[in-house]
Amino acid sequence: GAVVSQHPSRVICKSGTSVKIECRSLDFQATTMFWYRQFPKKSLMLMATSNEGSKATYEQGVEKDKFLINHASLTLSTLTVTSAHPEDSSFYICSALIRQVSYNEQFFGPGTRLTVL
Amino acid sequence: SQQGEEDPQALSIQEGENATMNCSYKTSINNLQWYRQNSGRGLVHLILIRSNEREKHSGRLRVTLDTSKKSSSLLITASRAADTASYFCLNFGNEKLTFGTGTRLTIIP
Repeated sequence: GAVVSQHPSRVICKSGTSVKIECRSLDFQATTMFWYRQFPKKSLMLMATSNEGSKATYEQGVEKDKFLINHASLTLSTLTVTSAHPEDSSFYICSALIRQVSYNEQFFGPGTRLTVL
Repeated sequence: SQQGEEDPQALSIQEGENATMNCSYKTSINNLQWYRQNSGRGLVHLILIRSNEREKHSGRLRVTLDTSKKSSSLLITASRAADTASYFCLNFGNEKLTFGTGTRLTIIP
């Protein structure tokens, strides 16, 4: 199946700094990627839809100025957590969408563990 | 949004036994996928079943789909300790997804 990578897999940063997480589709092009966040022992929560060449669409309650998303190419979307706070500590997962003729498939990255001190 | 609601929320069984978990969804379906998530890790794709399929096998996994009841089940046979994880179903009726809390499966050695 298609492969999606994320980098870094784990990051620790100080409060107030910004952290960039990359999501890449390795062997296919994805015009649409998604960013999810998961709190400990909770389900995944969709944060935003990243569309290549246009602005991301954010879910209700997600601060777009806090979580900057850039989808500059068909294989790369980035999520930047700006002015990070300890409450931003979480597990962030991206997925890339492949649209087939009669169905869609999503392929998930391995996730990025963010810890803000 | 397409939310899968898994049932039970938690399941503990002895190693070697079979584990069955269920999933219900609310809207129309193109295909349904089951994923596994080990603690603190990303999602791993297990199996996909299309809307025109009723049953699918992959190794020790068996998935059924009942579109009239909008439900699916995942059976893991001859469970192993490494099967301990959370399992999620995702309905790809359209593109945006929301997740349920999954079924937390614990295999007792």
